[in-house]
Amino acid sequence: DTGVSQDPRHKITKRGQNVTFRCDPISEHNRLYWYRQTLGQGPEFLTYFQNEAQLEKSRLLSDRFSAERPKGSFSTLEIQRTEQGDSAMYLCASSHRQGGFSGANVLTFGAGSRLTVL
Amino acid sequence: DQQVKQNSPSLSVQEGRISILNCDYTNSMFDYFLWYKKYPAEGPTFLISISSIKDKNEDGRFTVFLNKSAKHLSLHIVPSQPGDSAVYFCAARGIGNEKLTFGTGTRLTIIP
Repeated sequence: DTGVSQDPRHKITKRGQNVTFRCDPISEHNRLYWYRQTLGQGPEFLTYFQNEAQLEKSRLLSDRFSAERPKGSFSTLEIQRTEQGDSAMYLCASSHRQGGFSGANVLTFGAGSRLTVL
Repeated sequence: DQQVKQNSPSLSVQEGRISILNCDYTNSMFDYFLWYKKYPAEGPTFLISISSIKDKNEDGRFTVFLNKSAKHLSLHIVPSQPGDSAVYFCAARGIGNEKLTFGTGTRLTIIP
């Protein structure tokens, strides 16, 4: 297993266009997370899945954003009608959890998908 | 509302010396704290964590200290090596919450 894979690594688009990012987590991990990182900031939580269920969404995730994990494996993050403020690095992470909230729940991150909206 | 703060954007340390990175938080409901390291063009990688019931955790050259009363934690790296040059993020997790809240990062440069 090569870790968490994200595609594409870079995307340049014009304002108003739709973009989709894909994340392939570590195969035995049941939890998948999306974070967004802008210049000079730390990663900000967007949403997470346990298997195929989306369990939490940040208020940062406006109606233009949608994330899916249809079969509990890979995930997609779609941004509709992109705006210049959407320019950021979109990070995917995965982890394995067996119930409860004990332990540190260490996330393994992918290298990210950098979005530039012109 | 920045709940996790890293007030030093950058730090330079001589190779072989101790590097101390600091982090402050405001939310008393945080129960786990983690440090991640990030190289350019890569995702953050996990370094070390500490539960709120402990005040110290050590892993090789890396030690994290937690002062709950001061809502402060620090990462000590000793001895510092050139490969430690990276951006270090402090992160915290709330009780019963899967979300990690990250600080803004500190860029550590180890001078040979």
